[in-house]
Amino acid sequence: DTAVSQTPKYLVTQMGNDKSIKCEQNLGHDTMYWYKQDSKKFLKIMFSYNNKELIINETVPNRFSPKSPDKAHLNLHINSLELGDSAVYFCASSQGGARSQPQHFGDGTRLSIL
Amino acid sequence: GNSVTQMEGPVTLSEEAFLTINCTYTATGYPSLFWYVQYPGEGLQLLLKATKADDKGSNKGFEATYRKETTSFHLEKGSVQVSDSAVYFCALSGTAGNQFYFGTGTSLTVIP
Repeated sequence: DTAVSQTPKYLVTQMGNDKSIKCEQNLGHDTMYWYKQDSKKFLKIMFSYNNKELIINETVPNRFSPKSPDKAHLNLHINSLELGDSAVYFCASSQGGARSQPQHFGDGTRLSIL
Repeated sequence: GNSVTQMEGPVTLSEEAFLTINCTYTATGYPSLFWYVQYPGEGLQLLLKATKADDKGSNKGFEATYRKETTSFHLEKGSVQVSDSAVYFCALSGTAGNQFYFGTGTSLTVIP
């Protein structure tokens, strides 16, 4: 009964490939996020969706495209992978509009580009 | 705008030492403040939170007090253990509630 689950946990692939990461939450939250964490542990927000609508879209290359089929799922598709995309990607969810409610994180997807 | 500034690490302490990790913030309105912990190979977990001025959040021996006058939310623990070795993130939630701002993280290593 994991609250926020991401798949896969590890992803090793060649430069130039296209890959997807999936995220699901069973907390009933209406807001979901994607973060990128670099090797120095710096956490950078990429996207945020509220009730399937995009509300935050930080400066991220167009090769990254989020998709939210429903409010419990937020997937991340990456085209033409580059070496600099190697990082840990975290999905998170929260109850939007309730500033006292924390975010809940998945365990991360470790993406390595060869 | 909103932002969080966290003391830089890494921090190395001996077991049973006192821990302080400084966090200051800039925010419009009345944010909520959080500390998250990330153990090696895992995602971030909520450690504690405070939602208004003078609130004290506490969990697992860790404490932090929301100080509006100094815009701070410093994390403290009286006696650290080896199992506390992790990266600690200070964060705030803006008034709108669906945007979070994280500090850069502070790596803590506790040696026996």
